[in-house]
Amino acid sequence: EPEVTQTPSHQVTQMGQEVILRCVPISNHLYFYWYRQILGQKVEFLVSFYNNEISEKSEIFDDQFSVERPDGSNFTLKIRSTKLEDSAMYFCASTGAYKDEQYFGPGTRLTVT
Amino acid sequence: AQTVTQSQPEMSVQEAETVTLSCTYDTSENNYYLFWYKQPPSRQMILVIRQEAYKQQNATENRFSVNFQKAAKSFSLKISDSQLGDTAMYFCAQKNTGNQFYFGTGTSLTVIP
Repeated sequence: EPEVTQTPSHQVTQMGQEVILRCVPISNHLYFYWYRQILGQKVEFLVSFYNNEISEKSEIFDDQFSVERPDGSNFTLKIRSTKLEDSAMYFCASTGAYKDEQYFGPGTRLTVT
Repeated sequence: AQTVTQSQPEMSVQEAETVTLSCTYDTSENNYYLFWYKQPPSRQMILVIRQEAYKQQNATENRFSVNFQKAAKSFSLKISDSQLGDTAMYFCAQKNTGNQFYFGTGTSLTVIP
């Protein structure tokens, strides 16, 4: 069964550094998402992406964040200058044309020190 | 604002018994989708069951069933014949016709042998 993959599984970075989290969505999916989950808290929507542009974003997704689909398979989340509060699990998800079910990746644990 | 509320942060159930997880939501839309996701200790979320709001019949997937009360905006998950592998965080989620999913804070379920 096809699945969403994410790399790395764990990323440790120093405050102020840039990080890029990578995702490979399911190949025939059209909509891509990033969520984050701070330890012990709920999953929060960050951004959705369709047709090579952002379709929706939350207030969390400020100028420090950007997303890109650099080729036909990868979907990346960049955090320009990480802060301690960016420490969280980051989940990528994708959906097909009907958008009614999201498939999640295993997540990347980001630790900012 | 869209909100999803799970009022039970932790629950436990004896193996082979039945447990019900609660979820309420708030939306002004008439067409929407509801989901229960399971997040095992390995951290990847997987879909357990989904319900389209326009369907009156409650969704069922093997040992998992929902009690969807549209007027009350309630969407509870019943797990019958609980198994040790059901131990996980369970997230209720709601999606309108747009792209964004809204998640509750989760219920940590422990199945006791």
